[in-house]
Amino acid sequence: DIQMTQSPSTLSASVGDRVTITCRASQSIITWLAWYQQKPGKAPKLLIYKASSLESGVPSRFSGSGSGTEFTLTISSLQPDDFATYYCQQYNDYWTFGQGTKVEIK
Amino acid sequence: QVQLVESGGDLVNPGGSLRLSCAASGFTFSDYSMSWIRQAPGRGLVWISYISNAGSTMYYADSVKGRFTISRDNAKNSLYLQMNSLRAEDTAVYYCARGSRSGSYFDYWGHGTLVTVSS
Repeated sequence: DIQMTQSPSTLSASVGDRVTITCRASQSIITWLAWYQQKPGKAPKLLIYKASSLESGVPSRFSGSGSGTEFTLTISSLQPDDFATYYCQQYNDYWTFGQGTKVEIK
Repeated sequence: QVQLVESGGDLVNPGGSLRLSCAASGFTFSDYSMSWIRQAPGRGLVWISYISNAGSTMYYADSVKGRFTISRDNAKNSLYLQMNSLRAEDTAVYYCARGSRSGSYFDYWGHGTLVTVSS
């Protein structure tokens, strides 16, 4: 089974900050990686697929990069609507999510 | 627009059974694979089952294999999850999600339905 590990688990930041979340896979997943945003009581929302492709309608301040086993999600300038929990997910071999990174207000 | 609406969540005793449904609209249901993903209270997301667009291929996470059965009715635009031998650790919000055309990430999710297993 492929394990996905996100860091940090919690991130405190202010509006306007540049935020980076890291996701590591236990083996190479090439670029078969997606990122989701989830707000309390809501369903996850797709942000990024194939490691760096921005889903339609998602603001351009979100970007993804990486390949193999190491990936990052970057929010270039954090907005009030961005305080949420973010999950990475591999789809190279079945489907596995990271444990999540909560972005909270500093 | 794409809509996925889950139903069937309830409070059930350990060892009991429950059937979840997911009604799809706004897209050609028979063209897409579907999955069930769950989230225990305060925890992360866990994929539990997949079904191909025609319903010919199914996969399960080890945690539910042999107890849960995924199925679909393309004529009714509906996805199902039959859950048997339920355990306390199955308590979670269950989401149905559409598999993308070009890959296997999940591009649309329902709002979820809560299953509570407790005596």
